[in-house]
Amino acid sequence: GAGVSQTPSNKVTEKGKYVELRCDPISGHTALYWYRQSLGQGPEFLIYFQGTGAADDSGLPNDRFFAVRPEGSVSTLKIQRTERGDSAVYLCASSKTGFRETQYFGPGTRLLVL
Amino acid sequence: QQPVQSPQAVILREGEDAVINCSSSKALYSVHWYRQKHGEAPVFLMILLKGGEQKGHEKISASFNEKKQQSSLYLTASQLSYSGTYFCGTEGNAGNMLTFGGGTRLMVKP
Repeated sequence: GAGVSQTPSNKVTEKGKYVELRCDPISGHTALYWYRQSLGQGPEFLIYFQGTGAADDSGLPNDRFFAVRPEGSVSTLKIQRTERGDSAVYLCASSKTGFRETQYFGPGTRLLVL
Repeated sequence: QQPVQSPQAVILREGEDAVINCSSSKALYSVHWYRQKHGEAPVFLMILLKGGEQKGHEKISASFNEKKQQSSLYLTASQLSYSGTYFCGTEGNAGNMLTFGGGTRLMVKP
């Protein structure tokens, strides 16, 4: 079946602008994760959803970052007042139930803040 | 804390073997191994749950020593397609998210 999809694949924005990144998980997966990956480093956890609720948002760097998953499927990561340091690849992953299971990653959105 | 991977990089000739290590300072419930090629998503290789289980898939296998909080990934008779960056992701007893190591860059040459 279809894997995790993310849109857009690339996003270029100016400092101070607002951006939204979308993630479409594997159908039927209740757990959804957002990670951020900087060049040459491993993915860094941002937030984890179980169904519609954020079960763990301890990785969000500050209150400019927010994520929603209103119907328990698609999720949107929102970044306000973007800064150059936000430039990275934003990865989304999903797993069946979220309990000690394989996380399948999407292709990521490459965000560049000028 | 981020797990520590070693070596940071390795170059192999086709057919040679390699071992990649992942070490954590905290108690682990599971270890997940991924391979990522440049510009692509991490691709799942295997998951090891606590219990010292060793898993294998074709010529790639892994072990997990819960007491030492360490895992090792074994690549035997490497192929050109094995090139990429290998990440271990660790899962503690308290949560579901993964904490990834800094990666091991593997290059297999003909």
